[in-house]
Amino acid sequence: GENVEQHPSTLSVQEGDSAVIKCTYSDSASNYFPWYKQELGKGPQLIIDIRSNVGEKKDQRIAVTLNKTAKHFSLHITETQPEDSAVYFCAASPGYSSASKIIFGSGTRLSIRP
Amino acid sequence: GAGVSQTPSNKVTEKGKYVELRCDPISGHTALYWYRQSLGQGPEFLIYFQGTGAADDSGLPNDRFFAVRPEGSVSTLKIQRTERGDSAVYLCASSSGQLNTEAFFGQGTRLTVV
Repeated sequence: GENVEQHPSTLSVQEGDSAVIKCTYSDSASNYFPWYKQELGKGPQLIIDIRSNVGEKKDQRIAVTLNKTAKHFSLHITETQPEDSAVYFCAASPGYSSASKIIFGSGTRLSIRP
Repeated sequence: GAGVSQTPSNKVTEKGKYVELRCDPISGHTALYWYRQSLGQGPEFLIYFQGTGAADDSGLPNDRFFAVRPEGSVSTLKIQRTERGDSAVYLCASSSGQLNTEAFFGQGTRLTVV
């Protein structure tokens, strides 16, 4: 089955600097890669996703890259702000014809230093 | 409702007891997921439904865990003979059921087995 590994487990950056979180996956059939942000006491919330026919996607200060050959994908947050502090999860899903299970990484706790 | 609703938000039970956790998905969503999240970990996949049927239950840890979705809407996760190791936050998510679409999470039920 699919296995998703995520690094680093904790990350502290100065406000205004960039943060990068990296993930690898094992199942070559995976073709959907969402990123979730989880704040304390809340459920995960989707912040951006990428599909296997796209190598890069950007939404304002957030960008994701995907390298299917290497089975790597990354989240980039630029111009970090205090409200970016949270736990971030990468995930992979081997969807075929409809929605299928989503396998999560172990998470990265991002702290933004003022 | 507008989002995924989970009840109760907190549940404390004694070891050996039976518990039921309820999930009300977003109206019209055909796919429903259950996850378990331990402190400091990513969501661990348990089971997912397409409509009334369990499309993938490969994440259920043992036969004490069971989930139903009899009318294709509300789902109940049932845990028999609870053990202290079952203590975790149980998350429910739903999606439209189409390929590679966003899963929306509820706030979770915090289960504590004493």
